[in-house]
Amino acid sequence: TQLLEQSPQFLSIQEGENLTVYCNSSSVFSSLQWYRQEPGEGPVLLVTVVTGGEVKKLKRLTFQFGDARKDSSLHITAAQPGDTGLYLCAGDGGSQGNLIFGKGTKLSVKP
Amino acid sequence: DAGITQSPRHKVTETGTPVTLRCHQTENHRYMYWYRQDPGHGLRLIHYSYGVKDTDKGEVSDGYSVSRSKTEDFLLTLESATSSQTSVYFCAISLTGNNSPLHFGNGTRLTVT
Repeated sequence: TQLLEQSPQFLSIQEGENLTVYCNSSSVFSSLQWYRQEPGEGPVLLVTVVTGGEVKKLKRLTFQFGDARKDSSLHITAAQPGDTGLYLCAGDGGSQGNLIFGKGTKLSVKP
Repeated sequence: DAGITQSPRHKVTETGTPVTLRCHQTENHRYMYWYRQDPGHGLRLIHYSYGVKDTDKGEVSDGYSVSRSKTEDFLLTLESATSSQTSVYFCAISLTGNNSPLHFGNGTRLTVT
């Protein structure tokens, strides 16, 4: 069974701080997606990483896919209250309908 | 919001009653999915569809059935609701399938009493 472990589960920080959340597995994924979900809404795709070692930047968010394609990280620089939400990673397990979601990291950024 | 509408947005029902949730898309995408989201479990796939009348089971399909008679509509039915089916249900679409990125609806919060 392929699993994705996200850590930390909860993170509460002050505006302006930096943070990193992690998405780890013992399985190899052909690609990995990151989503952000706000209360009462569905998840929204932030980025997809495909190549081992790949780094993608989205304004203050930096996403990295591990060299072995088993793990990924999301780093936020100078967090803002608008970054508050549930961050989910999802790995492509290879077969149709086999998109594996982690349980998420709930981020709260206080002004 | 990628043109996905879920209805109803909230529903309370009693154990043993049938319930149907609707997902409607305006994007004409081939692939549609039903997930449930529960604390401690994350998002889990219930059923998915890869075309009209073409559906397949996901990880947690027991107690659920689906139908897709038109490209734009994907229905999820709980034949006899149980309290363990209290959850938030999300519909999603994707352009190419093959676990490509998903566009989600805003969910239906279902409570089974």
